[in-house]
Amino acid sequence: DSGVTQTPKHLITATGQRVTLRCSPRSGDLSVYWYQQSLDQGLQFLIQYYNGEERAKGNILERFSAQQFPDLHSELNLSSLELGDSALYFCASSVASGLTDTQYFGPGTRLTVL
Amino acid sequence: GQNIDQPTEMTATEGAIVQINCTYQTSGFNGLFWYQQHAGEAPTFLSYNVLDGLEEKGRFSSFLSRSKGYSYLLLKELQMKDSASYLCAVRDHDFNKFYFGSGTKLNVKP
Repeated sequence: DSGVTQTPKHLITATGQRVTLRCSPRSGDLSVYWYQQSLDQGLQFLIQYYNGEERAKGNILERFSAQQFPDLHSELNLSSLELGDSALYFCASSVASGLTDTQYFGPGTRLTVL
Repeated sequence: GQNIDQPTEMTATEGAIVQINCTYQTSGFNGLFWYQQHAGEAPTFLSYNVLDGLEEKGRFSSFLSRSKGYSYLLLKELQMKDSASYLCAVRDHDFNKFYFGSGTKLNVKP
């Protein structure tokens, strides 16, 4: 158990819908990262927040957005869902944002878009 | 752009040694990470290299050559539970951007 929690564990929805994935980092961690893992694309970095502010953006679609709240939990919002958005979504956290920071991954949310 | 290559799949025997290679071409470099991921589970951190050389951690070691854009993960005394995917990840010069390879699926046979 990494100490990072994600809810829900599974989510099944239809195309065109909007969902919110939630992540709580390990106690004391200020950074939260979001990743998408699909069968054909491996693990893709989406976005990172540090202490409530966006720090880095990866391959995140405009239909997706995220935020980190004052209590440091984070939410990833996915809208206008398409079949291709079906994937495992991981959240990871680290203490800060420095050179040697290790990321600890949550158990993931499996999203199925029908 | 970023390009990280790993073999797709490898097979080895219990008790043996296996080396999983990773080559990378990135616009910047601030560290290389190895993660283990069992099917359907979250990746777990194994090792980190930022300077050239070998880092040893029990049965696992990781090597880095920055000039060659090359790393390997060495697993000794293989156990059945080592059957998993091994992900190589490079951190860009922007400390916050990570790029993962597609992973190497390791099958350990009795």
